[in-house]
Amino acid sequence: DAMVIQNPRYQVTQFGKPVTLSCSQTLNHNVMYWYQQKSSQAPKLLFHYYDKDFNNEADTPDNFQSRRPNTSFCFLDIRSPGLGDAAMYLCATSRGVSDTQYFGPGTRLTVL
Amino acid sequence: GESVGLHLPTLSVQEGDNSIINCAYSNSASDYFIWYKQESGKGPQFIIDIRSNMDKRQGQRVTVLLNKTVKHLSLQIAATQPGDSAVYFCAESQSGGSYIPTFGRGTSLIVHP
Repeated sequence: DAMVIQNPRYQVTQFGKPVTLSCSQTLNHNVMYWYQQKSSQAPKLLFHYYDKDFNNEADTPDNFQSRRPNTSFCFLDIRSPGLGDAAMYLCATSRGVSDTQYFGPGTRLTVL
Repeated sequence: GESVGLHLPTLSVQEGDNSIINCAYSNSASDYFIWYKQESGKGPQFIIDIRSNMDKRQGQRVTVLLNKTVKHLSLQIAATQPGDSAVYFCAESQSGGSYIPTFGRGTSLIVHP
């Protein structure tokens, strides 16, 4: 059974058109993460939530926002996608911040 | 700054051979290490981990070796199969704190039938 679920798996948007990616988990983990991964690169952490506490990475553009309405769900909002935002977006969860992370299958974002 | 890196970006092996993927780290405070496998179009999948109080840990067909003296760890895959073809990432962390695991660059393993 899937433990970290991401929807949609593929998302196409237009330049500048807001888009929301979703993630849900059945692990009841405290921490949820959003990563951006471009081709042939390691995942790059955008931000994470420890419970309801939001933690933004220093170099995450303001164009990226996140919401975590409850333990199970976390959303990534891209307010005005640019061509450079085309990437795989990965959601992950962990029990604690330094614990093993469990990743979802990712959402492939295309920006036209 | 301190970082985690991989020596070889691509490793090609024949089916049935043993594979060794290497990873160097520079943060001497790191005490927890994780290997992930990422197949094309999928998210990273946990393979095996090791803590600094161990120098070897075995799983099913995989072994992780940790050499704290030279800050090096490796992932050994026995009898490599075509299904092992993927990108492998090591990540390092510090247990018990607020340190998020840091991913290394990744090695692409290609297994030829």
